[in-house]
Amino acid sequence: QIQLVQSGAEVKKPGASVKVSCKASGYTFTSYGLSWVRQAPGQGLEWMGWISAYNGNTNYAQKFQGRVTMTTDTSTSTAYMDLRSLRSDDTAVYYCARDRVDALDIWGQGTLVTVSS
Amino acid sequence: DIQMTQSPSTLSASVGDRVTITCRASQSISRWLAWYQQKPGKAPNLLIYEASILQNGVPSGFSGSGSGTEFTLTISSLQPDDFATYYCQQYHSYPYTFGQGTKLEIK
Repeated sequence: QIQLVQSGAEVKKPGASVKVSCKASGYTFTSYGLSWVRQAPGQGLEWMGWISAYNGNTNYAQKFQGRVTMTTDTSTSTAYMDLRSLRSDDTAVYYCARDRVDALDIWGQGTLVTVSS
Repeated sequence: DIQMTQSPSTLSASVGDRVTITCRASQSISRWLAWYQQKPGKAPNLLIYEASILQNGVPSGFSGSGSGTEFTLTISSLQPDDFATYYCQQYHSYPYTFGQGTKLEIK
């Protein structure tokens, strides 16, 4: 079946970087983009950016420009989200989601990233 | 950025009730709006896209309407499984912003 499986929880110190992976299966990886969305504890959903799995084009939310890099590896149907200079308010569950242009129809299970000294 | 505002933030209702959640955009987004349901500890689940098209597998008790700047999600008869948090998201232009969410609670 179509699914996105994300990497496991991470604990990072302030100032460090984290790289979350998202492995797709059950569909043609390069036919869709992927969006990354995060959710701080008890808060709503925040769209971080999008990457085309076809050609690697990206579009990042202004808030994350300069701190985030989204990439894909088409040989393994895996997407990556790299967030640098972590702060305590980056503590959140990070989701990848298949971007169908008109909606996010398949979501990963989420990856909890905790930033704490 | 396009701001998305949902109302109410919290809604208390009973099984069998008909409920409506509203989502307003700060500028016209045509029909580029999706609705998601999220349960505690789970990823969001797509319910409706392009304002009114029901995603495959979603119960027919859910419906969406609207265009431009005002949209609604209606649940015709609440089931126990429907108590969750609901989010709208605009797809008109980057960044693809979400509403702040509406928590649907059991009365």
